[in-house]
Amino acid sequence: DAGVIQSPRHEVTEMGQEVTLRCKPISGHNSLFWYRQTMMRGLELLIYFNNNVPIDDSGMPEDRFSAKMPNASFSTLKIQPSEPRDSAVYFCASSPGTLVQAKNIQYFGAGTRLSVL
Amino acid sequence: GESVGLHLPTLSVQEGDNSIINCAYSNSASDYFIWYKQESGKGPQFIIDIRSNMDKRQGQRVTVLLNKTVKHLSLQIAATQPGDSAVYFCAENNAGNMLTFGGGTRLMVKP
Repeated sequence: DAGVIQSPRHEVTEMGQEVTLRCKPISGHNSLFWYRQTMMRGLELLIYFNNNVPIDDSGMPEDRFSAKMPNASFSTLKIQPSEPRDSAVYFCASSPGTLVQAKNIQYFGAGTRLSVL
Repeated sequence: GESVGLHLPTLSVQEGDNSIINCAYSNSASDYFIWYKQESGKGPQFIIDIRSNMDKRQGQRVTVLLNKTVKHLSLQIAATQPGDSAVYFCAENNAGNMLTFGGGTRLMVKP
């Protein structure tokens, strides 16, 4: 099992540029989560999908952030335009989301370290 | 000006000693709890979980204790090793599939 795969691992861009982060969840998992981690605010949930449908996006900072999940094996988080304060590590996680046992263990990818100059 | 970041509590232990990491959770309706370990440069990794109908669960070298009365969770690591050095997060589940993460505790193991 390859686990949750995120790309790129590192991204350096200039303010104003568009940034797209990618995630491939674990096969068979129904739920996908995007988090942001910074020293200032710790680990913050940005958005959560269940069966490819966005369920809760209340953590998305502002309209510059958008996330999509076109199919069960792929999701993107886009920032347009990017700003220096967006610099952080972005994690994607997936979970089985089975209702029978409510197994909500989230499995995290290695993250994308974003630096906006 | 000076930036103010999260001040992670730090626990420093001698190799071979037992470690106890504590966590206070916020929602009395939470019914499922998880401990994660995050090593430098990596994503959080699942360690152990516990349901609210239990007060103790043991894994390999780790034990989680749950006290619902005071909304307190602890992670005990036996015979702590250098490889246990990491930041440890507790997480609670109280709505759907979402988890709410604590601020984390840094464990430093002295050789």
